[in-house]
Parts: sequence; structure tokens; C-alpha cells
Amino acid sequence: LAKTTQPISMDSYEGQEVNITCSHNNIATNDYITWYQQFPSQGPRFIIQGYKTKVTNEVASLFIPADRKSSTLSLPRVSLSDTAVYYCLVGDLSSGSARQLTFGSGTQLTVLP
Amino acid sequence: DTEVTQTPKHLVMGMTNKKSLKCEQHMGHRAMYWYKQKAKKPPELMFVYSYEKLSINESVPSRFSPECPNSSLLNLHLHALQPEDSALYLCASSQESRGLAGSEQFFGPGTRLTVL
Repeated sequence: LAKTTQPISMDSYEGQEVNITCSHNNIATNDYITWYQQFPSQGPRFIIQGYKTKVTNEVASLFIPADRKSSTLSLPRVSLSDTAVYYCLVGDLSSGSARQLTFGSGTQLTVLP
Repeated sequence: DTEVTQTPKHLVMGMTNKKSLKCEQHMGHRAMYWYKQKAKKPPELMFVYSYEKLSINESVPSRFSPECPNSSLLNLHLHALQPEDSALYLCASSQESRGLAGSEQFFGPGTRLTVL
């Protein structure tokens, strides 16, 4: 079971780069690492996904070290609208158990003006 | 159409009522999911349907009964719920291009359920 651990909260200022790290010491070979963003009273929204090394898209970058026991979501130049909860998701459902697909506890990011 | 829709948005029901939550997607996704989310907690996976077949049921009480009438629709039938079942119920779908866990999930806005 690839349990994940994230910081409960982070504060940042507009225009800064924000890095949120997720620890997943028991990650399995088949597991992908996925990050989601969630605003209050909305469903989570996919941000980025990776397996190893670095992945970049138009909104974020994901850094995964060689041992894959952690990952870091990097948000460049955040704005007030990036205030949300960010979830790390690691898992593999091939065993047929939902316990293998678990969201992290989430990090509440607050962007200040 | 990259949207997952859920109805109703809000539902209040008594413990003796029977109600259903509905979810629909038209993205051609073959995997659909039900999650339960309590306030200030992460979503918890309840059920997974893959190619219209229930593939995962993670020890969910029988008062929750999922149904997948076709590849675009997912229902969650509710009966004899308890007040502690009050939560946001989220539906999601994915293409399963990388297996269930590796595929991007598209979430609906959720149904806010209150059990009195």
C-alpha cells in the first residue's frame, strides 16, 4: 500500500513559485504519481501525472527522483486563483483493491496578495 | 465534451428514504468511479466500474448500491442511510489508457448529500 504523506498547509505570495512534496515510501513498480487540485464544493481536477524523472505541462512541473519515494509538484508564479487543496495520488488497482488507490491527505495552499 | 455531470447537486433524505444519484459522461471513457468525501478530508474510493462491470467494491455497506446501465451512465442507489453517510459524493471517469490507477480521472461536481 503506497500511503502518501503531504504537508497539511502552505502559504505563498502571488508571483512566487510553490513546491509541494509528497512522500510515498512504499510506491510499487506499477504505480503512477498523479496530482489533483480541488476547490471548495467542486470535484478534483487533474493537474499532472508522471512515472519517473521530470514532467512538465502548461500549468505545472512534476519532479520524481530516481528512487520514486517522493515527488514534488511545482507551480510557477502562483496567483490568488491557485488557492486550493492539492492532492497527491499514488496507486495501482491491478490487485483489485481500492485500498491500492489512495489520495494523500491533501495540502491546503493559500496564495496571499 | 469533457464534462462529467452529476444530478442532483444537493439531496436531503431521511433514513428510511430510497434515492439515487446519477452520473453521466460522454467522453467514451470505459472506467467510472464513485467516491465519498467528508469535509476537509480526501476523497475515498467506493466503487469502480470497468467496461460496465463492477471491478472494485471496497467494503462499502450494502445500503449503497451502484449500477452501470451503460458505458455513459453510473448510478448510486441509496437506501436506509445513516446521518454519518452525509458527505459529498463524487463521480469520476477515465479512459483507462494506463490502467485504472494510471489514467487521468475526470471528476463531476459532486452531489452534496445530507441524511437526517
